[in-house]
Amino acid sequence: AQTVTQSQPEMSVQEAETVTLSCTYDTSESDYYLFWYKQPPSRQMILVIRQEAYKQQNATENRFSVNFQKAAKSFSLKISDSQLGDAAMYFCAYRSALSGSARQLTFGSGTQLTVLP
Amino acid sequence: GAVVSQHPSWVICKSGTSVKIECRSLDFQATTMFWYRQFPKKSLMLMATSNEGSKATYEQGVEKDKFLINHASLTLSTLTVTSAHPEDSSFYICSAPGQWSSYNSPLHFGNGTRLTVT
Repeated sequence: AQTVTQSQPEMSVQEAETVTLSCTYDTSESDYYLFWYKQPPSRQMILVIRQEAYKQQNATENRFSVNFQKAAKSFSLKISDSQLGDAAMYFCAYRSALSGSARQLTFGSGTQLTVLP
Repeated sequence: GAVVSQHPSWVICKSGTSVKIECRSLDFQATTMFWYRQFPKKSLMLMATSNEGSKATYEQGVEKDKFLINHASLTLSTLTVTSAHPEDSSFYICSAPGQWSSYNSPLHFGNGTRLTVT
């Protein structure tokens, strides 16, 4: 079974600064997908960024980028120019790419990000 | 974009009663839906996978008789918490892959249901 670990229960960042959220995972599979989701106080799950394991290039989405280290099984999220609206719980998630596997996500325990004005 | 509607958004019920939560895919067909449970400031834990036209698949430790799942059509899955007790109080979220989604496509999440059992 796959596991996802987020070792930072809480993080804070000053507005306009950069913060990195950590995520490691454990799997025996070679092909899979990784995601970062954001859950604001409304509790709606919002996709932030995704990464295919077969791609060496790190994914980027505007101010959000990842550092994907497949050998180390690490998938950190960097938020640049942090904004007050970035404050939320962030979840790292794993999905198997095995043919025929269900498409559920396995989530990490989350990191609560506070953005300080 | 694909939308998943979950209803109700919050519900309070008395201990011993049953509560039904609905999850609908509004603009796509969902042969599979996932039901997650989330405790305050905790992660989402997969409870079960509902499959249209067949029985749901439950995760280890989830009571099938307490959490009844029915995937009645390609757009509707329901979770019924039977004989609810205060320990069932939680936040329940449904999600579904898009109809034509590939494995790297994100899941579409409902807005969740906050259940409080008194």
